[in-house]
Amino acid sequence: NAGVTQTPKFRILKIGQSMTLQCTQDMNHNYMYWYRQDPGMGLKLIYYSVGAGITDKGEVPNGYNVSRSTTEDFPLRLELAAPSQTSVYFCASSPILDTQYFGPGTRLTVL
Amino acid sequence: AQTVTQSQPEMSVQEAETVTLSCTYDTSESDYYLFWYKQPPSRQMILVIRQEAYKQQNATENRFSVNFQKAAKSFSLKISDSQLGDAAMYFCAYRRVNGETSGSRLTFGEGTQLTVNP
Repeated sequence: NAGVTQTPKFRILKIGQSMTLQCTQDMNHNYMYWYRQDPGMGLKLIYYSVGAGITDKGEVPNGYNVSRSTTEDFPLRLELAAPSQTSVYFCASSPILDTQYFGPGTRLTVL
Repeated sequence: AQTVTQSQPEMSVQEAETVTLSCTYDTSESDYYLFWYKQPPSRQMILVIRQEAYKQQNATENRFSVNFQKAAKSFSLKISDSQLGDAAMYFCAYRRVNGETSGSRLTFGEGTQLTVNP
């Protein structure tokens, strides 16, 4: 039982490049989330999903897109990367209205 | 909107001693969950303890316990017999409980960095 896995662990992007952060969970959780954590700060919600085919915006969705074609996967797409997107990105999952379990994070630097 | 405030950016404790981390929150809801998460240098977010607002009894997990004061909207974490492995950033988090699909999102405080001195 791997829990929540994220790839890659680290990535450096140039301004204007695009990339997809991968997130997979094997706990059959309905809810999945993407957070970002800026240095010295708490986590802020980017997007979330309550099930396959259903996604919605969180607090800071600008510059990102998501999709949820399966229960297991919830990729986060960055289009036209900007230095303001330098952050650590966490994916999480939970059963409906229960404790969230986090992946190990992806550290992204945009130069 | 709900907010979570951690007023102590940094705390330190001697090994084997007890330390209390503070958290206050603002909400108009009557039912909700509160959490403490630990983030060690590995950056993994690890659930430490959770409290349901409808329960008057304070949650306890081994050396970790909370002091939940609902009227004061306060949710402090007490770590007893501190160990070197407890050194980490600690985040307080809030989550609503309702029938809406968005109700399960977490609102985090800004964290308290705990140092454990040998």
